[in-house]
Amino acid sequence: EAGVTQSPTHLIKTRGQQATLRCSPISGHTSVYWYQQALGLGLQFLLWYDEGEERNRGNFPPRFSGRQFPNYSSELNVNALELEDSALYLCASSSPGGINTEAFFGQGTRLTVV
Amino acid sequence: GNSVTQMEGPVTLSEEAFLTINCTYTATGYPSLFWYVQYPGEGLQLLLKATKADDKGSNKGFEATYRKETTSFHLEKGSVQVSDSAVYFCALRVGGSQGNLIFGKGTKLSVKP
Repeated sequence: EAGVTQSPTHLIKTRGQQATLRCSPISGHTSVYWYQQALGLGLQFLLWYDEGEERNRGNFPPRFSGRQFPNYSSELNVNALELEDSALYLCASSSPGGINTEAFFGQGTRLTVV
Repeated sequence: GNSVTQMEGPVTLSEEAFLTINCTYTATGYPSLFWYVQYPGEGLQLLLKATKADDKGSNKGFEATYRKETTSFHLEKGSVQVSDSAVYFCALRVGGSQGNLIFGKGTKLSVKP
C-alpha cells in the first residue's frame, strides 16, 4: 500500500512568488496535516483538513493557505514568498478514529526561496 | 494551551549506553502521547504510542510509559546502537478542534561506535 506522497520533492522559488505543494494521503485516510520544519529541527503546525474542511490552523500568516479535495488529497499554497519560508514542508495523514490514531508522514517538500 | 517540552539536545552516547530522553506535556483534557523518529534525510516515522495513563508503548527496544501524575512520557532504551542516531520527537494529540499532533522541538541523538 502506498504511503503518503508529496510533490515536488524540491522546489526553488524567488522571493515574492507563489508556491504550491501537493500531498496524497494513504488510501482510507480522511485527515491531512501540514507542518513546517525549518532549520532541520522542530515542527510547526500549519493546517489540518478533515473531510474537506479546515479544522484547525497554526499561528501562520494568511498567505499560507490550502485546501482538501474530494479525494482527500491536499495542496498547500504559500503566497508572496519570503526568504524565511525556506523549510521542509511535511504532510501527514490519519484515518478516522479520534485521538488514538497515529499520523503517517510523507518525505516532505524542500522549499528554497532565493 | 497544549504543549510538549523535550530535553534539549544534542545527545551524544557511546554504543550500548542507556538512553533517556525526557518529555513532559501540558494538555487540556486527556491526550494520547506519541514518539516519532526522523532519520537523516527522511520523514517522520511513528516509534511508539500510549493512549491512557500507565500504558507502556514499546518498539525496537524503545519504551515510554504514560505518567499522568507527572505529565511525562520519557523515552528509554537500554542499549543504543549507531543505527539509532536520529532526531526524536515527542508529541501529543487531544480531541476536538485541537486534534492535530503537537510536537516538541525534537532531540538529536548521535551514537558513536
